[in-house]
Amino acid sequence: QQQVKQSPQSLIVQKGGISIINCAYENTAFDYFPWYQQFPGKGPALLIAIRPDVSEKKEGRFTISFNKSAKQFSLHIMDSQPGDSATYFCAASWEDYKLSFGAGTTVTVRA
Amino acid sequence: DAGVTQSPTHLIKTRGQQVTLRCSPKSGHDTVSWYQQALGQGPQFIFQYYEEEERQRGNFPDRFSGHQFPNYSSELNVNALLLGDSALYLCASSWGQGGGNTIYFGEGSWLTVV
Repeated sequence: QQQVKQSPQSLIVQKGGISIINCAYENTAFDYFPWYQQFPGKGPALLIAIRPDVSEKKEGRFTISFNKSAKQFSLHIMDSQPGDSATYFCAASWEDYKLSFGAGTTVTVRA
Repeated sequence: DAGVTQSPTHLIKTRGQQVTLRCSPKSGHDTVSWYQQALGQGPQFIFQYYEEEERQRGNFPDRFSGHQFPNYSSELNVNALLLGDSALYLCASSWGQGGGNTIYFGEGSWLTVV
């Protein structure tokens, strides 16, 4: 049973464009929503995270939007660069640090 | 400040054998979790250790076991290896219990079972 559903599975964006990845969850007890970036052959690296008391968080070109009532959150990558080409995972956890991951989105940025 | 370190980085085992993977948490962290990531999938939680005890366990058989040492480092042991155990095994560390603290991952140990 997948607790976090992520879409799309993959996307292609032109350099300078916006990448948008969406995630939905069911467990209303989740209180921590991180996004991880993973390059081939590497471990996931924390990109940005948000808590449900905040509707939006921005760090550089990366923005998380959070909709508590809809139980959805999304990652926006502004001004996408070729170096952003990677797999992105959304995740959620509740107090206990056990992260439930989405299935991942492979982002390809075309120069 | 060293991050989460794992060893070995790659290893090949034969079906039925046993394997031990090692992890040193990020400096200042006392909680270690292990995840299994099959090719093309998201990481799946195996178990978590805090104060040298297994605190939580995911949906993995008893062939998967672990240990945490007094210096907070940890080992993951897998017995009677199956072909399906081939995956990237990730160690993650954080501080304390009770939620809200950042979780950092290591680079992982690639296990191939032949």
